[in-house]
Formats: sequence, C-alpha cells, structure tokens
Amino acid sequence: GEDVEQSLFLSVREGDSSVINCTYTDSSSTYLYWYKQEPGAGLQLLTYIFSNMDMKQDQRLTVLLNKKDKHLSLRIADTQTGDSAIYFCAESIGKLIFGTGTRLQVFP
Amino acid sequence: ETGVTQTPRHLVMGMTNKKSLKCEQHLGHNAMYWYKQSAKKPLELMFVYNFKEQTENNSVPSRFSPECPNSSHLFLHLHTLQPEDSALYLCASSQATLNTEAFFGQGTRLTVV
Repeated sequence: GEDVEQSLFLSVREGDSSVINCTYTDSSSTYLYWYKQEPGAGLQLLTYIFSNMDMKQDQRLTVLLNKKDKHLSLRIADTQTGDSAIYFCAESIGKLIFGTGTRLQVFP
Repeated sequence: ETGVTQTPRHLVMGMTNKKSLKCEQHLGHNAMYWYKQSAKKPLELMFVYNFKEQTENNSVPSRFSPECPNSSHLFLHLHTLQPEDSALYLCASSQATLNTEAFFGQGTRLTVV
C-alpha cells in the first residue's frame, strides 16, 4: 500500500539538532525525498537518498535510511530560526507519495 | 523561484461559480501534477500528466476537471465546488514520472464560500 507517516510537530531550541522521522510502507521505493515548505510557499526539495544507501550528508543535513524498518530520518545540525517550516518526506513509486508533514518550530 | 508558476495565488469562489487554476513551467519537463494540500492531511495527489496525456486520476470528483494543452501548461477547471474543497492546490512538474525530482509552484489558496 501507499502510506507515509510523520509526526505533526517538533519544537527545538536554536543551536540544537532536530531529528524528523518518517515511516513508509512501499519497499519498492527507489528514491526517498525530504521537502521543505515555508509559509505561503510551495515545496522545495532539500535532499534525497537512493534506496541502496543508508546515509547521506549534505552540510547541516544528514539523512538516515533503515530500509529493513522502512524508516527515514532527517537530522538538521545547529538548527536556526530560518529552519522553521514544514518538512515532508516522500517516497517515489512512479509518483511521489507524501506524508502529512512535520511542522518544525525553532525557538531562541 | 522554482520555475513553476501558478496563478492566481488566491481565489475565493462561490459554490455555483466556474473558475480555473493555471500552472506553467518552462523547465522542459514532461510530467505535470496537481496536488491538494489540506490542513493536517497528507498531500493528496490528484492528477498526473505525462507528455500531455493523463496517466493518473486519483479518484478525484468530476467537479475538478484538468486540462493539459501542452507539456508546459496545466489547468484545473473548477465548477460547483463544496466548502470542503477549500485548500491549497499545488502544481508540480518533473522531467519524468519515475524517480526524478519534482519542482513545485507556490500554490493557489482556494476558498469556497
């Protein structure tokens, strides 16, 4: 089936690390994505990981993939107020299936 | 700026009105999509067009009617909508439908009164 789940909210202090988690159901997904949506805007691709990888690092972003458990996470190091947004994970199975999004709030 | 432009940005319409949403991309992409974003719900894929042909209709009510005259333009025609259709409608495009990055427009915030 097609189902991507995320927790709805995450609140962190500025400078701390944020970890946003996602679970998906379709094991045939070849790419998994993280998108960011700022207020009043569409979705912007942050990073992606190919299914044969278990980790990908891109500056402050680290993506971890546990294919056995169908679990994906996004870690943001040194979280800033500008990181406040909604973060969506998505799996690609011929089309993009998105989760509900996790609203990240960063407080001083 | 993602290269995908949606108009209008905001739309208020009555239940008996007919209106259209427009999406345009000049990225040379072959696939275009309509998504519906409602509060606290996953992004819902509505329609997929690939090389101007509709390849997916995700059980969308007939009061939503898509049109893709060419690979650069996608429309969503609306008629006799319901208040529960109020949402952010997002258009996206990608080079192909399989395993490629999707670029999103900023969306049209639709309110049905």
